[in-house]
Amino acid sequence: EDQVTQSPEALRLQEGESSSLNCSYTVSGLRGLFWYRQDPGKGPEFLFTLYSAGEEKEKERLKATLTKKESFLHITAPKPEDSATYLCAVHPIDSQGGSEKLVFGKGTKLTVNP
Amino acid sequence: GAVVSQHPSRVICKSGTSVKIECRSLDFQATTMFWYRQFPKQSLMLMATSNEGSKATYEQGVEKDKFLINHASLTLSTLTVTSAHPEDSSFYICSAFLANTEAFFGQGTRLTVV
Repeated sequence: EDQVTQSPEALRLQEGESSSLNCSYTVSGLRGLFWYRQDPGKGPEFLFTLYSAGEEKEKERLKATLTKKESFLHITAPKPEDSATYLCAVHPIDSQGGSEKLVFGKGTKLTVNP
Repeated sequence: GAVVSQHPSRVICKSGTSVKIECRSLDFQATTMFWYRQFPKQSLMLMATSNEGSKATYEQGVEKDKFLINHASLTLSTLTVTSAHPEDSSFYICSAFLANTEAFFGQGTRLTVV
């Protein structure tokens, strides 16, 4: 069964204090791994898609990396506006014909204090 | 970037009435859209996969007659919550894949049944 586990569940940082969020996954075949940011009362906002081990992508203070078993979302010198819940999802390869379903982790709630 | 628009963002309805939520892909065509439900402080739960021109595929435990899905065109899917009750109150979110590679989400709809 495809599974995604995110850690920690919650993370409090001081402004400028860099850290990383983890997304561990178990999947028979991976089409892609997604990172989203979700603010309260809003839909997830697309951040990155990673497709193969060793791939890295950056956007402002965020950098996502991927291995065969996990992905990290590194946050460098975070600001209070980076506070949100960060969701990780995998897009498995469906051996029975191409399901488009995503499997989500439970998310990491990040709070950045000024 | 690709945009998925969801309407309305908030709706309050009386118990026993039906509510329709629209999901549109604004600058791309989506043969498949997805409907999720999210409970407070929890991750997204896939309800159903909406297929253009054919019947939706529902996840186990989701009532087909309660949550009617219509995907009449390549840019529009609708979710109708029929005979709504207070326990149907939740945050509903739709999503669509762009070129089978990136999944974008709508802004979400907060449904409150009184």
